[in-house]
Amino acid sequence: DADVTQTPRNRITKTGKRIMLECSQTKGHDRMYWYRQDPGLGLQLIYYSFDVKDINKGEISDGYSVSRQAQAKFSLSLESAIPNQTALYFCATQGINTGELFFGEGSRLTVL
Amino acid sequence: GEDVEQSLFLSVREGDSSVINCTYTDSSSTYLYWYKQEPGAGLQLLTYIFSNMDMKQDQRLTVLLNKKDKHLSLRIADTQTGDSAIYFCAEGARAGGYQKVTFGTGTKLQVIP
Repeated sequence: DADVTQTPRNRITKTGKRIMLECSQTKGHDRMYWYRQDPGLGLQLIYYSFDVKDINKGEISDGYSVSRQAQAKFSLSLESAIPNQTALYFCATQGINTGELFFGEGSRLTVL
Repeated sequence: GEDVEQSLFLSVREGDSSVINCTYTDSSSTYLYWYKQEPGAGLQLLTYIFSNMDMKQDQRLTVLLNKKDKHLSLRIADTQTGDSAIYFCAEGARAGGYQKVTFGTGTKLQVIP
């Protein structure tokens, strides 16, 4: 089983719908991240969390919200999806020593 | 703020060496990373180098760091078709009690058989 699991892997939705992307991890890491990947733009940080009581905005948090339900679970919500939120979304955890990030397989979201 | 730049595309012939370059701006970087993303998958750490090192070699991979010029490179010797992927350069800077990681745009490596 993967250490970082994202669901759903693919989702097509319509403008204005509420969407939740879920992430769970078995790494035992406190630090968890949500990134967005667009072609030619690399990875942009949406939100990050250092523990269940510590949530921080990243560089592109507008239009997104998150919930850290437990150490192992970190979900990303789009309250009212819009077409320019069509992208590949990654959840990641971070180790302490070298700062290595461990990524999930990604959730491809299409907003029509 | 932090900025990491790399070229978007590189094409090489199978068996040749590939060199992917990256520049970064944060002089306080403690770790520099190379991540690999294969099609349909998440990123996976390929290798990293601590900022007080000049070079790191790991089998077919050689990482060179020029801290003065803030330039990082990844050399893949004897490039194989399985090396076709997107390679992300990233820098880690200590921020509080963690490493704040900033990614480049990624370089898509195409290996021609």
